[in-house]
Amino acid sequence: DTEVTQTPKHLVMGMTNKKSLKCEQHMGHRAMYWYKQKAKKPPELMFVYSYEKLSINESVPSRFSPECPNSSLLNLHLHALQPEDSALYLCASRGQGRDEQFFGPGTRLTVL
Amino acid sequence: AQTVTQSQPEMSVQEAETVTLSCTYDTSESNYYLFWYKQPPSRQMILVIRQEAYKQQNATENRFSVNFQKAAKSFSLKISDSQLGDTAMYFCAFMKQNTGANSKLTFGKGITLSVRP
Repeated sequence: DTEVTQTPKHLVMGMTNKKSLKCEQHMGHRAMYWYKQKAKKPPELMFVYSYEKLSINESVPSRFSPECPNSSLLNLHLHALQPEDSALYLCASRGQGRDEQFFGPGTRLTVL
Repeated sequence: AQTVTQSQPEMSVQEAETVTLSCTYDTSESNYYLFWYKQPPSRQMILVIRQEAYKQQNATENRFSVNFQKAAKSFSLKISDSQLGDTAMYFCAFMKQNTGANSKLTFGKGITLSVRP
């Protein structure tokens, strides 16, 4: 299995809702990433997990809360988002000693 | 800090022809990796090609090859025999070597490539 999967594909939520994005990989990768991507722009790094511990938080607002329950799974919990948070959220993983990141297909989030 | 510059926002090429996408970067690091990622309209980002800075030989992957000029800090991507499926946004990216858990990709702004039938 050489895939990173993300669910849901699309998500529409109100500003008072709580929702979660899920990312899964079964490649044995121990580094996992969350990115935010606006249309026609490069991905912006949000969080990095290494061996299930948060190693990088790029000063992301607290309304985004990451979680890594195990080595295969990465969640992003969303609460009280703003319309400007609407974007494509990408997950990626990287194997130990490897340099390339494998990206998932993303979740298209719309905040109303 | 590292920067990656892709100065061409858009390019177009006729099917079966060759196109070159440019990328320059700035870093004080000696050891690093460079990548070209492709993101088609269906949005999945995939790796096209990678280059280790210590290797002088330019990387090639089938129809894709790079021209890596370390002294000039240039890393261009050549696509030969362009196909309709090459239509996508292409991102040039940089990563320091041996940063372990703190490894981060620095992306350029990207270039939209359209292949005309």
